Amino acid sequence: QKEVEQNSGPLSVPEGAIASLNCTYSDRGSQSFFWYRQYSGKSPELIMSIYSNGDKEDGRFTAQLNKASQYVSLLIRDSQPSDSATYLCAVDTGRRALTFGSGTRLQVQP
Amino acid sequence: GAVVSQHPSWVICKSGTSVKIECRSLDFQATTMFWYRQFPKQSLMLMATSNEGSKATYEQGVEKDKFLINHASLTLSTLTVTSAHPEDSSFYICSAKGQAPSSYNEQFFGPGTRLTVL
Repeated sequence: QKEVEQNSGPLSVPEGAIASLNCTYSDRGSQSFFWYRQYSGKSPELIMSIYSNGDKEDGRFTAQLNKASQYVSLLIRDSQPSDSATYLCAVDTGRRALTFGSGTRLQVQP
Repeated sequence: GAVVSQHPSWVICKSGTSVKIECRSLDFQATTMFWYRQFPKQSLMLMATSNEGSKATYEQGVEKDKFLINHASLTLSTLTVTSAHPEDSSFYICSAKGQAPSSYNEQFFGPGTRLTVL
């Protein structure tokens, strides 16, 4: 079992819809969770961090964390073609480096 | 805030030569820096972790004599690919964490260096 699992996609949503990206993790002791966006040919960019159960909203992005279920998600409201990218879930498992999932490719159809 | 730069952004070199890549944290002190490699359409692969003033910790399967890492200060780490071969062609990305504006173990990535070995 991978430590951080994501569906590779592609997840295709129409412009204006809500995109829902999911991530599960295996280490129950993990405390910090992050979402990165990576455009093709570019490096990852941190877009959201979440540390406690519940929702955290930042503009069109909402991160959701459920530590009991070991589940973290990212919702993107009013999806735009410019949101098309690979979204990486990252978990702080206590090692110095974050543990990354393999990413979900999102395609927003105009 | 939390800006990480890398230089060069791309490099082409001949097989057998060595290439040095610099990674700098511009507005914070990076207590730890990380080096990743990413092949096309593949996941990030952590190569090594370095702390200022100490030896780097390499991931399993990464040759420490081939990928030399120096973390000379709290704002600079370098990766030298020695005797580069075509199979070393990849996208090398550094990231840093430390006393950033929000220091809950966030890692901030540099823009990456695309290495092509002919």
